[in-house]
This record gives sequence, structure tokens and C-alpha cells, in this order.
Amino acid sequence: EVQLQQSGPEVGRPGSSVKISCKASGYTFTDYVMNWVKQSPGQGLEWIGWIDPEYGSTDYAEKFKKKATLTADTSSNTAYIQLSSLTSEDTATYFCARVAIPDVMDAWGQGASVTVSS
Amino acid sequence: EIVLTQSPTTTAASPGEKVTITCLASSSVSNMYWYQQKSGASPKLLIYSTSSLASGVPDRFSGSGSGTSYSLTINTMEAEDAATYYCQQWSSNPWTFGGGTKLELK
Repeated sequence: EVQLQQSGPEVGRPGSSVKISCKASGYTFTDYVMNWVKQSPGQGLEWIGWIDPEYGSTDYAEKFKKKATLTADTSSNTAYIQLSSLTSEDTATYFCARVAIPDVMDAWGQGASVTVSS
Repeated sequence: EIVLTQSPTTTAASPGEKVTITCLASSSVSNMYWYQQKSGASPKLLIYSTSSLASGVPDRFSGSGSGTSYSLTINTMEAEDAATYYCQQWSSNPWTFGGGTKLELK
């Protein structure tokens, strides 16, 4: 069974950084691109970017290019998103989602909440 | 960036009723994808490549459309279908989602 297990809730101070993990199991981690999606409280979904764990290549939505950094550790089958220079607008739930052919997000993590508070 | 506009924003349906959700794209897209999100849960893939049903999705769900106009139809509403539905495209970077349609049980 494909599973994406995300790390727990994070609280970050304004201006600081947080790093969320997404541990994959039940499939070959390097065979699938991983997407990251943001959902602000009571709001819709926003695509942040993707990472290809095999090559480490990434692509980001313009809005998140200076905010998010995507990485992957193939030894532990874990994808990461680091959010920097936190502001209140970063308070949200962040999902990782596996991308399968044809460009579908067929498995999702449970979401990791980030709260920015002083 | 391609903007996806869903309508209605909120709707309610009785069991057995037919429900249609529309997604209009600001530019032509080659395919549309639909996700269902229940309260407190992660989104779940429903429809891919405009009209293909994802694995395990009941066949009362269907998708159609082309160009800039797409729709998701629930043929006969069931209580478990109460959720928020999102359309999504990846014809051009960035991937974008519609604003969501909240479907409630009447």
C-alpha cells in the first residue's frame, strides 16, 4: 500500500524557517515525482512545486520560488519542504502528493500544519 | 497562469439528486482533473484526463468537457459525497486549482 507519512505540526516565529518531511512507503521512491501543495485555513489548494527524487530536479510556482525549498533523501525515501522567512501568510497545511502518470496526484500525505506565531 | 473558476461555490443536494459542477479555464487546457476533499482530510483523486475515473471511485461520478469548459457530474447524490470538490490543470506551469465547490447534503 502506498503511504505518505508527514511530520507533525510546526510552530515557527516570524522570520524563521521550518522543515516538513514526507516519508514514502509502498513503492519505489525514485520512480515518482513528488508535489507539494499548500492549503491556507478555510481556503483552497495551491501548488508549490515538485521534486524528482531520482535526479533532485525541482520546479516551483513563481510565487514560492523564494519561499520554499524542496529536497529529497533517497536513502530514507523522504521528501522535504523548507519554508523560510516565515510570515503569517505561511500559516497553512502543507501536503505532499505523489505524481503518477498521467500527471495525477494519486496519493497524498495527511498534511502538516504550520503556524507562524510570535 | 491559467485561472480556473468553479461554479457554484456552494450547493446542496438531496439523496438521489443529480449534481453538476462547472470549471471554466481562462485559457484552453488539454485535460482537467478533479479532486474530492472531505472535512479534515487530504484531497482524493476522482477524475483524471477529463473523463477517466480513478481507481475505486464509484461510477456515479463522471467528468466531461474540452477547451475552457469542464464539468464534474454526480449522477445520484449520496450522503458520503458531501465534500469540497476542486478542478485542477497542468497544461501549463504552474499547476492551478479551482477555488473549490462545497457540496452539502440537503
